[in-house]
Formats: sequence, C-alpha cells, structure tokens
Amino acid sequence: NAGVTQTPKFRILKIGQSMTLQCTQDMNHNYMYWYRQDPGMGLKLIYYSVGAGITDKGEVPNGYNVSRSTTEDFPLRLELAAPSQTSVYFCASSSAGASQETQYFGPGTRLLVL
Amino acid sequence: AQSVAQPEDQVNVAEGNPLTVKCTYSVSGNPYLFWYVQYPNRGLQFLLKYITGDNLVKGSYGFEAEFNKSQTSFHLKKPSALVSDSALYFCAVRAIYNFNKFYFGSGTKLNVKP
Repeated sequence: NAGVTQTPKFRILKIGQSMTLQCTQDMNHNYMYWYRQDPGMGLKLIYYSVGAGITDKGEVPNGYNVSRSTTEDFPLRLELAAPSQTSVYFCASSSAGASQETQYFGPGTRLLVL
Repeated sequence: AQSVAQPEDQVNVAEGNPLTVKCTYSVSGNPYLFWYVQYPNRGLQFLLKYITGDNLVKGSYGFEAEFNKSQTSFHLKKPSALVSDSALYFCAVRAIYNFNKFYFGSGTKLNVKP
C-alpha cells in the first residue's frame, strides 16, 4: 500500500539549475497539493490540482511550475533554483467529496540550493 | 483572511500526564479545522478534524480536540501522554472561499519524557 510517494528524497542543486520533484499517488485521488516547509514554519501551499489537466496557484507559487497529465502524477518543476527555495517539499493528495479535507502526505523531498 | 496560530513552539510533558497543544484560528465564517502529526523524516499524518456538530472531536491514537467558538480555539488534548506521542503537531484551517486551500500553523514540538 504505497499511498503518496516522492522522489528524490534529497537533492543538492546549484543556483540556476533546474529539477523536477516527482509525486505519485495510487489512491485514485482527484486532489493533489504541493507544499514547502521551511524551518520553524508551517506548510505553505505552492500549487494544487483538482484533477488531471487542472492546476491552480497556492500561497507561494513564484519560481515553480506544475503539470497534471494523469490522475496519479503531479510533478513540481523548479526552473532556476535559488537559495530561497531551500526547503522540504511535501506532496499530498485527497479524494473528492466528503473526505476531501483529509490529506495524505508523502515522505517529503529535502532540497538544498547552494 | 484565514489563518491559524500555535503559540507554543514546544510543549514538555511527563509520560502519563495529560497534554494540551494549543491552536487558535482566524476565520470569517464557520471554520473547518484539522490536526496533523509529523514524526521525524516523515510526512504529515491526519489526526482529526472539526467540520460541524459536537465541539469535542475524537481522533487517532487517543487524541481529541475541543472546538471553542467564543475563544476561536481548537486545542489538541490527550488524557495520558505516551513517549511515542513525541512529534511535531500542526493545526490547519481550510479556506472558506476556496475549499482546495489549507493554511497550516507553524507547528508545536511535543516532548513526552519517561
């Protein structure tokens, strides 16, 4: 029972490099989310998706892009990495309807930009 | 604007004693409130939620939370703490204007000592 999986677990990037954080869920959830967690801070919503082909911005979308071509996958793209993007990134998913508010989180990707 | 505040960065309690982790919210309208727990190097796990109805909500692992509208609070409680309860706890609120957005508090680290 995999749930929400994220790869990689840890990555070091140089300033200006790009990368894609992968997120996959096997629960057939319509809703998916990307959050970042900075030290001593709560989670901030970057982007979310309500279904394949539909995405929208959260609180802190600048510097990131997303796509949702399938129900299962919701990759997060960093085009020009900056030190301010050093953080732990969590992907989450939830089902539609009455249980939508219960989110299931992946284990996170720790990103260091130097 | 929707937000939650967790006034304590850390809570220390002895095993067997009752514990309380505090959360206050700011929401125009009826709030949807949540508690999540995060163990080291893991994603967040759902504990409980308040949508409507009884002010005392019971959740996983023996935790409960009390919704208090007059004090705009949603404190997490447990009658008897376990060492294994030591973790990071996050309060969250769902946006009223956009059900797909959630706002998390900064987290409270709970330390339960034997």
